[in-house]
Amino acid sequence: EVQLVESGGGLVQPGGSLRLSCAASGFTFSSHWMSWVRQAPGKGLEWVANINQAGSEKYYVDSVKGRFTISRDTAKNSLYLQMNSLRVDDTAVFYCARGEVGGTLLGRYYYMDVWGKGTTVTVSS
Amino acid sequence: QSALTQPASVSGSPGQSITISCTGSSSDVGSYNLVSWYQQYPDKAPKLMIYEGTKRPSGVSNRFSGSKSGNTASLTISGLQAEDEADYYCSSYAGSSTDVLFGGGTKLTVL
Repeated sequence: EVQLVESGGGLVQPGGSLRLSCAASGFTFSSHWMSWVRQAPGKGLEWVANINQAGSEKYYVDSVKGRFTISRDTAKNSLYLQMNSLRVDDTAVFYCARGEVGGTLLGRYYYMDVWGKGTTVTVSS
Repeated sequence: QSALTQPASVSGSPGQSITISCTGSSSDVGSYNLVSWYQQYPDKAPKLMIYEGTKRPSGVSNRFSGSKSGNTASLTISGLQAEDEADYYCSSYAGSSTDVLFGGGTKLTVL
């Protein structure tokens, strides 16, 4: 069974750090882009970061650049998100997702076809 | 980053068809970027419903279809069922960048 399981969420004070993990199973982890997507309470989905198969390409939403770092460990079939200088508005459920990227004659695409159940990050004093 | 605009809510009766729009700009939806659509139930993870603009993943009902006209992509659900009541999000690359955009989400109510 294809599965993604997030962990590492919790309560942290503003300015603090947290490291999220995502354990992948049931597919060839090294063959896929991976993403982090978050959802603040009562709000919509927000893309956070992408990483390519080799870990050599990393992209971030502007609001987390310089504070968050996405990484992966192929040997452990795991994806990570190191979050530093956390702010109250980082409070959200964080989802790990498997990405598919490519292009056709009609255009280019990035979509997320497998999602974890999410882990909750609460930033509060 | 530009935004993808969706209606906050749509509704329909069982058996009817509804369409959810996702309006971008000439640099994202209207250009070379293909849209995907996700369904999300309360307190659940999103689920991919449409990818590459019009394709359905295995297991997704053929009542769901995607299309595009100009700067607007659309998700149509035909033969509306109570189980379709959920939030729906569109997504695409942002312009020529490698950033990913989500629409604000649309809450579908089945009357």
